[in-house]
This record gives sequence, C-alpha cells and structure tokens, in this order.
Amino acid sequence: DGGITQSPKYLFRKEGQNVTLSCEQNLNHDAMYWYRQDPGQGLRLIYYSQIVNDFQKGDIAEGYSVSREKKESFPLTVTSAQKNPTAFYLCASSTQGWGADIQYFGAGTRLSVL
Amino acid sequence: GQQLNQSPQSMFIQEGEDVSMNCTSSSIFNTWLWYKQDPGEGPVLLIALYKAGELTSNGRLTAQFGITRKDSFLNISASIPSDVGIYFCALPSNFGNEKLTFGTGTRLTIIP
Repeated sequence: DGGITQSPKYLFRKEGQNVTLSCEQNLNHDAMYWYRQDPGQGLRLIYYSQIVNDFQKGDIAEGYSVSREKKESFPLTVTSAQKNPTAFYLCASSTQGWGADIQYFGAGTRLSVL
Repeated sequence: GQQLNQSPQSMFIQEGEDVSMNCTSSSIFNTWLWYKQDPGEGPVLLIALYKAGELTSNGRLTAQFGITRKDSFLNISASIPSDVGIYFCALPSNFGNEKLTFGTGTRLTIIP
C-alpha cells in the first residue's frame, strides 16, 4: 500500500524539550512538506523540500527544524524555541513540487505540551 | 501572500440536505483544489479544477472554477453522515513553486 505514514499519532512535550515527528512516504515523491494546523485555522506551511538534501522555510519556520537525508523521509523537530507548539502537524508529499502538483497528506500527529 | 476567503465557517444541516460553500481569492489563479479533512485525519483531495468555468463532479460533489479565476464553489447534494468534516479550498502558487495556500475551512456538521 502506497502512502504517507506519520508517527506517533499523539506526542507530548515537556517544557524545554525538543521532539521529533516522523514522516515517511513510499510514493516515490520528490517533494515533501510540513504543515501546522490550529483550531479554526487553515494549514500553515512550516518547511518544504523539493529534493533530497535541500529544504526551504515556509511561512512559520521559527522554532522548527527539518532534514531530508533520504527521499522517503522528512522528519520535523519541534525545538524548545517554539513557545506554542500545541497543534496538529500534517506531513504531505507531491510528485515534483512544481506548478499545480497535487499534495497528498498523512494522518497527522497531535502534539501537546505537558 | 494572497488572501483566500472561505465561507461559511461552519454549517449545521440535516441529513439529506444540499450544501454549498465557496472560496474567493484576491488574485487570479490557474488551479483550484478542494480537500476534505475527517476528524483527526489528514486532508484528502476531493476535486481539482484547472480551467476557468470548469464544472467537475465526483459522485455527489460538484465544484466549479469561476470565470473570473478568483473564485470557486463546492456543492454536496443529499448529504449523508460521512460528509461530516472540514472542507478546505487550496490554491497552488502562481510562481510555479510548491506552496499551497489553504482557506480557513468550512466545518460541516449533520444534525440527526
């Protein structure tokens, strides 16, 4: 089954702690994305990557970091610098990341602060 | 960035009713996308529109790309319980890059 797998489904962060959210895809897509979703709001882009070993900041990158060492994987680290990390995080991928490329989403990770 | 307004924010309807929601943008675009998000899940693409004036159906769903290329609507006919969720319009950037801008969503609730 081809798709995008996010883990864990639920994650709790303590004050001052860094946490990493996993995103893996087996769709052979070049481009991958991370979004943040807050209640009553649309999705906001955190980081994206169009190719391995390259990534770009989105609209709300502060307090987050990513890596793209493999085509299939695009982990997101929520650092202690992110003061309001509680949100629903969604990972997506698309074929090439250009033009009207359709993005496909994982099931999300809900992050809460203890 | 572009402004993308989606309305209504929420809808409470009875099963069997038709639903209509729309999105408007401040700029002209070449593509409109409609996604649905079930509670606790990621969005799933419903319909993609690529041409001004285009009317596309997917089962009970119908979406249109406005002639002005600044708006789109999504209709759901004869709603059923599994239609519950949040519906988002989304626009790819006009600059050929990967960025999608999402509307704020329309939350659909079906009253028993």
